[in-house]
Amino acid sequence: DADVTQTPRNRITKTGKRIMLECSQTKGHDRMYWYRQDPGLGLRLIYYSFDVKDINKGEISDGYSVSRQAQAKFSLSLESAIPNQTALYFCATSARLVRNTGELFFGEGSRLTVL
Amino acid sequence: DAKTTQPNSMESNEEEPVHLPCNHSTISGTDYIHWYRQLPSQGPEYVIHGLTSNVNNRMASLAIAEDRKSSTLILHRATLRDAAVYYCIFSGGGADGLTFGKGTHLIIQP
Repeated sequence: DADVTQTPRNRITKTGKRIMLECSQTKGHDRMYWYRQDPGLGLRLIYYSFDVKDINKGEISDGYSVSRQAQAKFSLSLESAIPNQTALYFCATSARLVRNTGELFFGEGSRLTVL
Repeated sequence: DAKTTQPNSMESNEEEPVHLPCNHSTISGTDYIHWYRQLPSQGPEYVIHGLTSNVNNRMASLAIAEDRKSSTLILHRATLRDAAVYYCIFSGGGADGLTFGKGTHLIIQP
């Protein structure tokens, strides 16, 4: 089984719908991250969390919200999905500060299409 | 995250060494240099990181210029499985997490 699991793996929805992407991990890491990948643009950080009581905005948090339900679970929500949120979303975890020596461990991604 | 400059694509032959360059002229003295790669249809995976000295691990070597404004990821003997997009990143600023640019698409010819 994967250490970082994302559900759903694929989702097609309509504009205005609420969508939740879920991430769970068995690595025991405190730090969790949500990224978005668009073709030709690399990955951009949406939100990150250092523990259950800590949530931080990343580079592109507008239109998204997150919930850290437990150490192992970190969910990303789109309250009212719009077509330009169509992208591949990745969850990642780390045991240490990533900007220093921490290594990111990624899930397999959730492909979201908003019509 | 601060900006790095990498070639859009590179091509190499199987079983030959590959040198992937990266420029990071705005790096500060405390910023680590990170390399990740993304295989087709997968999430990125960690390759290597360093601060000042050259670094080696089982996957690759990282050569960092003395002025730290550039670095080179070295794959000593490329295999077909090394075909991927390689990202060079340094994390300037206060937020944690890394922002991945467009990277270098490495093509390995048999």
